[in-house]
Amino acid sequence: KNEVEQSPQNLTAQEGEFITINCSYSVGISALHWLQQHPGGGIVSLFMLSSGKKKHGRLIATINIQEKHSSLHITASHPRDSAVYICAVNTGNQFYFGTGTSLTVIP
Amino acid sequence: GAVVSQHPSWVICKSGTSVKIECRSLDFQATTMFWYRQFPKQSLMLMATSNEGSKATYEQGVEKDKFLINHASLTLSTLTVTSAHPEDSSFYICSAALIPGLAGAAPQIFGPGTRLTVT
Repeated sequence: KNEVEQSPQNLTAQEGEFITINCSYSVGISALHWLQQHPGGGIVSLFMLSSGKKKHGRLIATINIQEKHSSLHITASHPRDSAVYICAVNTGNQFYFGTGTSLTVIP
Repeated sequence: GAVVSQHPSWVICKSGTSVKIECRSLDFQATTMFWYRQFPKQSLMLMATSNEGSKATYEQGVEKDKFLINHASLTLSTLTVTSAHPEDSSFYICSAALIPGLAGAAPQIFGPGTRLTVT
């Protein structure tokens, strides 16, 4: 059993659509990270959360500690949002990664 | 803003040779850096935690004698793949904790990665 589960694995959306990517985890965490990986491999850290909600531009990340669940939302999606989104949790001395959600936004 | 660089960005080496990959934090000091490996179509896998001035902490299943990590300064960590074999071919990525002392609970700045191909 994976400590971090993401859904969906693959997602195709039309430009402008609202997108949600989900992450569930089974361990106690000190922080949860949402990462974006573009086809070239480079990784960008989008958010680090330990509670509540964060917003940056068109991206919103929420976390429910009691339910051990986080969501990443993209509003008004754009083709440049096409990437793999990875959820990662840190337990203090361990990092666990989800398998990623591959997002394709079609113009 | 804070940036992490990696060098080289790609490298091809022959089986049996050693390869050194550098991870540098620019404009900030990183007491903790992380090294990851990513195989094609798979997610990241943490290999080790690199702490400035002390020995690295390796994840289970990662051979410390094969993947040598040195974090001799607050801005540089190196990963040396010794006696490389084709199965070591992978994408190696580092990240640096933006806030000293918080390690994985701190925002991470990721390097651009190094693609290693062992022939």
